[in-house]
Amino acid sequence: RKEVEQDPGPFNVPEGATVAFNCTYSNSASQSFFWYRQDCRKEPKLLMSVYSSGNEDGRFTAQLNRASQYISLLIRDSKLSDSATYLCVVNLKKGSSSGGYQKVTFGTGTKLQVIP
Amino acid sequence: NAGVTQTPKFQVLKTGQSMTLQCAQDMNHNSMYWYRQDPGMGLRLIYYSASEGTTDKGEVPNGYNVSRLNKREFSLRLESAAPSQTSVYFCASSKKTGGDNTEAFFGQGTRLTVV
Repeated sequence: RKEVEQDPGPFNVPEGATVAFNCTYSNSASQSFFWYRQDCRKEPKLLMSVYSSGNEDGRFTAQLNRASQYISLLIRDSKLSDSATYLCVVNLKKGSSSGGYQKVTFGTGTKLQVIP
Repeated sequence: NAGVTQTPKFQVLKTGQSMTLQCAQDMNHNSMYWYRQDPGMGLRLIYYSASEGTTDKGEVPNGYNVSRLNKREFSLRLESAAPSQTSVYFCASSKKTGGDNTEAFFGQGTRLTVV
């Protein structure tokens, strides 16, 4: 089983629509979670962190369900400029409690195409 | 602030040739990573370095070697390139943003073709 799994899509949605992506992770000890955005032929960039209580940033809402080990991203009022691939990222702290390092694992990404 | 800088941006190699991809970050991050990205496979971790002087294998290390030269630089070497190593390579570094949260910053990528 992959450590982080996402539906690759593509999700083709009209402008103004609401779209949601889910991502599941296999390691219950995972500690922090993020959504990254990657435009075509560009590097991934941080979109938002995902907090246990859920969090919102403008039209974007991220949620975490630790019991079921999934995170979600909701995009409201989709814009053409939202067209991109959205990567789910899971961090796991490895090593000793006094030090250690973060193992960063990416999902394969979900492609979103917003249509005029 | 340059962030993460990768060179070269594009490279074509013949099978069997060797090359080194360079990566440097100016953000004083401890952790650095090399990923490859292939269609339908997403980003796969090749090697990572939790701190200067340490390196560890990731998901797909075969055919690669790395060197953490100092805190700033983390290079990836292909000793004998194979067509299966045709990919887009990303270097990244990460910092803690509070608690256990970590944000990763990426270089612009190297598009490598092995013919």
